[in-house]
Amino acid sequence: EMQLVESGGGLVQPGGSLRLSCAASGFTFSSYWMSWVRQAPGKGLEWVANIKQYGSEKYYVDSVRGRFTISRDDAKNSLYLQMNSLRAEDTAVYYCASRRPTYYFDYWGQGTLVTVSS
Amino acid sequence: QSALTQPASVSGSPRQSITISCTGTSSDIGGYNYVSWYQQHPGKAPKLMIYDVSNRPSGVSNRFSGSKSGNTASLTISGLQAEDEADYYCISYTSRSTLEGVFGTGTKVTVL
Repeated sequence: EMQLVESGGGLVQPGGSLRLSCAASGFTFSSYWMSWVRQAPGKGLEWVANIKQYGSEKYYVDSVRGRFTISRDDAKNSLYLQMNSLRAEDTAVYYCASRRPTYYFDYWGQGTLVTVSS
Repeated sequence: QSALTQPASVSGSPRQSITISCTGTSSDIGGYNYVSWYQQHPGKAPKLMIYDVSNRPSGVSNRFSGSKSGNTASLTISGLQAEDEADYYCISYTSRSTLEGVFGTGTKVTVL
């Protein structure tokens, strides 16, 4: 069974850093595009970043470009999101998801909460 | 970055049919058959319900169907059931330069 499990969320002060991880199992991780999608409390979904197989291409939403870095370790079946210079508006549940070529997300993790507050 | 427009809420009685619209532009919905729909219950992760406009993943009830006309995609839920009460989001590929995908604003479905 395909499974994604996020970790690494927590409370961080504005300007701080956090690294999210997503452990994948039950599928050939290296064959998939992977994504991070977030959801602020009481708000809708927002795409954050995508990474192609082998990390050959990476895309970011404008609001995080230059502050967040998506990466993957195919040997460990893991996806990461390094988040620097965090702002209050980055507070959200962060989901990792597998992304198909025709731009749909077929599997999602349970999410990890990031709270940016002093 | 502009989101796809969905109605904030749609409601219906059990066994009725409802339709949720998702309106974009020729750079996203109108230009590609890459629209997907997701169901999200409170406190849970989103679940894929429809992909590539009208395809249903294995295990999704055939009460859910998708379609597209011009710049507007639609999700129809037939034979509405209590467990269908949830938030629904559409997503489309977009050709706008710095974006890969654009998300809908979300629709709260209430079963009366």
